Amino acid sequence: DTGVSQNPRHKITKRGQNVTFRCDPISEHNRLYWYRQTLGQGPEFLTYFQNEAQLEKSRLLSDRFSAERPKGSFSTLEIQRTEQGDSAMYLCASSLNFGQVQETQYFGPGTRLLVL
Amino acid sequence: AQSVTQLGSHVSVSEGALVLLRCNYSSSVPPYLFWYVQYPNQGLQLLLKYTTGATLVKGINGFEAEFKKSETSFHLTKPSAHMSDAAEYFCAVRGFSGGYNKLIFGAGTRLAVHP
Repeated sequence: DTGVSQNPRHKITKRGQNVTFRCDPISEHNRLYWYRQTLGQGPEFLTYFQNEAQLEKSRLLSDRFSAERPKGSFSTLEIQRTEQGDSAMYLCASSLNFGQVQETQYFGPGTRLLVL
Repeated sequence: AQSVTQLGSHVSVSEGALVLLRCNYSSSVPPYLFWYVQYPNQGLQLLLKYTTGATLVKGINGFEAEFKKSETSFHLTKPSAHMSDAAEYFCAVRGFSGGYNKLIFGAGTRLAVHP
């Protein structure tokens, strides 16, 4: 079973450093989402890709954040000049959707980031 | 706009007792509702979902939820709790915008099951 995978699972970094996370969606899923989950809260939407096109970004995604999905397969989320407030679990989800409103998103195990 | 409120950040039950986790939603469009479970240090696993049709939805691990439009609720229940049910549970509503479906989550309810 090849579900959504994320790497690394854990990342500890110092404030000011850049970090990059990777998400591999379920094969042939055309939609990919990134969410952020802080301690004690539910996940919050960050951004969304339809194939390789990034179609929506949340206001939570400051200009220090950038996401890509080259060739519509895996995706990367980069955070530049990390701040302590960036410490969170970053979750990736994928789905297969050709315009229908019914959709199920499948989540990966997440990358837990700690900024010291 | 859509939102989700989960009543009770922590719920504790005895093994074998009824589990009831509460979720109320707000949605300006017909709601699609979801319950996800998260075990420690893991991602989210879909328990069940309501889209259209039957308002009583059965999911995995013996859980079920009933969509009540008049009460804007989608509470999650399980007749008999098991120790393995201890986890965090999230209710979510579809936020439909521009042709895609972001999920809007509640803050979660942590379920503890004691012997």
